[in-house]
Amino acid sequence: EDKVVQSPLSLVVHEGDTVTLNCSYEVTNFRSLLWYKQEKKAPTFLFMLTSSGIEKKSGRLSSILDKKELFSILNITATQTGDSAIYLCAVARGAQKLVFGQGTRLTINP
Amino acid sequence: DTAVSQTPKYLVTQMGNDKSIKCEQNLGHDTMYWYKQDSKKFLKIMFSYNNKELIINETVPNRFSPKSPDKAHLNLHINSLELGDSAVYFCASSLVLGQGPNIEQFFGPGTRLTVL
Repeated sequence: EDKVVQSPLSLVVHEGDTVTLNCSYEVTNFRSLLWYKQEKKAPTFLFMLTSSGIEKKSGRLSSILDKKELFSILNITATQTGDSAIYLCAVARGAQKLVFGQGTRLTINP
Repeated sequence: DTAVSQTPKYLVTQMGNDKSIKCEQNLGHDTMYWYKQDSKKFLKIMFSYNNKELIINETVPNRFSPKSPDKAHLNLHINSLELGDSAVYFCASSLVLGQGPNIEQFFGPGTRLTVL
């Protein structure tokens, strides 16, 4: 059965800290791995990773995929209170199907 | 302009009722989806439609029936609602490009369904 597991499930840090969120997967017919940020409403897209070892960056956020070890990490440096959200990892398999992890709830305290 | 919209945003109803949730996307995407997010925030795909044709149908009770009148709309009808149906339902869409689908999915704002 397809599985996407995120850790930690919950993380509380202070503003300015750096955090690393983890996502491991066991999925047949892997196509890519995606990260989403979910605040109060709908998930919003952050990154899509298809190749191993190539870091994707957007401001203070960065992510990398390891297809050999079947995991990805999402780094956030110099965290701000606005980074507080649930971060979702999803793996695309086959035709247009996304399998989601359970999410990491990140809380940034001032 | 809202890219993926859903109505209603909130739906409170009694057990046993039948209800519908509507979804529309103005992105010109070919593929639309319905997801259910439970109280633990776990997102699970229910259905996927490509150009009005059903392509993914996960293990979902027959009480749930999606309907796609055109590729910009995917509605979800639920019969005989049960307490366990209470959740947030998200609609999403993605663009299919040639042989390889662009699988970035854009999500609607969600519909919070509460069954009493």
